[in-house]
Amino acid sequence: DAGVTQSPTHLIKTRGQQVTLRCSPKSGHDTVSWYQQALGQGPQFIFQYYEEEERQRGNFPDRFSGHQFPNYSSELNVNALLLGDSALYLCASSLASGYTFGSGTRLTVV
Amino acid sequence: GENVEQHPSTLSVQEGDSAVIKCTYSDSASNYFPWYKQELGKRPQLIIDIRSNVGEKKDQRIAVTLNKTAKHFSLHITETQPEDSAVYFCAASIGSNYQLIWGAGTKLIIKP
Repeated sequence: DAGVTQSPTHLIKTRGQQVTLRCSPKSGHDTVSWYQQALGQGPQFIFQYYEEEERQRGNFPDRFSGHQFPNYSSELNVNALLLGDSALYLCASSLASGYTFGSGTRLTVV
Repeated sequence: GENVEQHPSTLSVQEGDSAVIKCTYSDSASNYFPWYKQELGKRPQLIIDIRSNVGEKKDQRIAVTLNKTAKHFSLHITETQPEDSAVYFCAASIGSNYQLIWGAGTKLIIKP
């Protein structure tokens, strides 16, 4: 049984560009959450998707947007990248209780 | 909004000794408190969690205690081993499927 898979694993982008990160949830999980983890800090909640709708949102600007597909997979899009967007982006899936995390996408903005 | 504070930021213990990490939360509506272990460059992994209707939960060498009145919860690791070295995060949520608010993390170092 595959866990949560994220792609790509690493990414380097230039300031001002746009990026799309992808997540496939654990089999049977219908809820996907995205977190941003800066170096040396705890993860910060970006948003959560359930039934293809954004159900909860953290304190992130509109530059951060997402989508969930009918197969429960999800995308995180970030527009107009800033140097401060450099971080590990974690996807977590869940079904009723508890999260399973993916290995993350390391985004570096230069 | 919810805020979670975690202490200490770094904890160094002798192999075989116990380690205790403490967290406090601000939102009395929080009712789900997981603990995650994150090794360098890896994903956070759930090691134990507790819900607000329980005061203590134990799983082999790991235990978590919750004091709802004081809004404190703590992670206890006994008989520490080198493989326990990692960063540990506490988190709080109003439900196990809701957004997690994380502490800043504790770097646990096990000295041989």
